[in-house]
Amino acid sequence: DIQMTQSPSSLSASVGDRVTIACRASQSISRYLNWYQQKPGKAPKLLIYAASSLQSGVPSRFSGSGSGTEFTLTISSLQPDDFATYYCQQSDSTPPTFGQGTRLEIK
Amino acid sequence: QITLKESGPTLVKPTQTLTLTCIFSGFSLSTSGVGVAWIRQPPGKALEWLAVIYWNDDKQYSPSLKSRLTITKDTSKNEVVLTMTNMDPVDTATYYCAHRRPRMAGPTQYYAMDDWGQGTTVTVSS
Repeated sequence: DIQMTQSPSSLSASVGDRVTIACRASQSISRYLNWYQQKPGKAPKLLIYAASSLQSGVPSRFSGSGSGTEFTLTISSLQPDDFATYYCQQSDSTPPTFGQGTRLEIK
Repeated sequence: QITLKESGPTLVKPTQTLTLTCIFSGFSLSTSGVGVAWIRQPPGKALEWLAVIYWNDDKQYSPSLKSRLTITKDTSKNEVVLTMTNMDPVDTATYYCAHRRPRMAGPTQYYAMDDWGQGTTVTVSS
């Protein structure tokens, strides 16, 4: 299985901050990388697919980049609604695997 | 509008078999490239992919759970069923079903889980 490692595991930030979350794959996955946002008690929501393509309806302050083994999710200006847990997921091979999550908290 | 909803028992005993049903609307599991996947999340832990069934009835399973899982579909009912045998307390989790569809980014086809059900919580305890 491809291992996905996110950093940091948790992050404290303020409204208006620029935030970056990293995701590393244990082997090259080209651009087969998705990002999800999950709020407590809710299902995950797709934010980014194919490493950098924004899902319809997702605010443009979210962006993704990377290829191969190194990826990042950036939120350009944090909004109160953005405090949640974020997961990366590779779709290059079966089984699809998720990172351990990054919890974004209010400072 | 695409919706998915999971249903099943909230409590199962160790060694029992769990049967979960996903009823969906807004898409067809007869459409080329479409699939329905199951993912679970133990309390306070990360997401774990379990299985997927495709429009052509192909199936894939998590290698670590393959011997315990069976996924089936009834296209006419817009229904996908996941069974997991020999349940153990470590299988306590929220179980989600999700709509998996292909999309293009440039010349390449990619897959993501676009739409998710609300999840159903399963506790394994005697």
